Amino acid sequence: GQNIDQPTEMTATEGAIVQINCTYQTSGFNGLFWYQQHAGEAPTFLSYNVLDGLEEKGRFSSFLSRSKGYSYLLLKELQMKDSASYLCAVTDSNYQLIWGAGTKLIIKP
Amino acid sequence: IAGITQAPTSQILAAGRRMTLRCTQDMRHNAMYWYRQDLGLGLRLIHYSNTAGTTGKGEVPDGYSVSRANTDDFPLTLASAVPSQTSVYFCASSEGLAGGPDTQYFGPGTRLTVL
Repeated sequence: GQNIDQPTEMTATEGAIVQINCTYQTSGFNGLFWYQQHAGEAPTFLSYNVLDGLEEKGRFSSFLSRSKGYSYLLLKELQMKDSASYLCAVTDSNYQLIWGAGTKLIIKP
Repeated sequence: IAGITQAPTSQILAAGRRMTLRCTQDMRHNAMYWYRQDLGLGLRLIHYSNTAGTTGKGEVPDGYSVSRANTDDFPLTLASAVPSQTSVYFCASSEGLAGGPDTQYFGPGTRLTVL
């Protein structure tokens, strides 16, 4: 079956760096997305990776290794507003988007 | 620009009743989607549409139907609601076709409780 694994919850300190991992086993691969979802709100797009390597966008970076079925989202200079759930989603060979359950990130002062 | 709007914001429904969740986008996007989100589970695709007049089934289509009469509107209907359909429902759209590299934009969600 298809599966995306992310840690359920992580805690980090304001101003620090945190890495949220995502591993996937899907039938094929056609891209990986990261979305941010604040409690009670809709998901919003953060990043898209289709080739191996690191994509940097301000304080957020996303890394992909297709051979390992692995991605991570790196958040630097954490701010209290970064407290949210972070969703990993993979497009499989049938161009279906498979979503992970999300990682709830708690930022402490 | 509103983006995507959904109505109602929340609803409590008796089991067996019929319910239509409304979704409208003003971005002229081609593809539209309906997801449900349950605690501890990832977003699950119910139905999608790549263009007006066409629809497709997602991962969990049973008990739900959709229509796409025009580009902007994509209503989701529960013909006879059951308690297991209690969930938060998100409508989304993307400029390109479903499954492509395009960002999906989400509506604010509808919280549905079936008793």
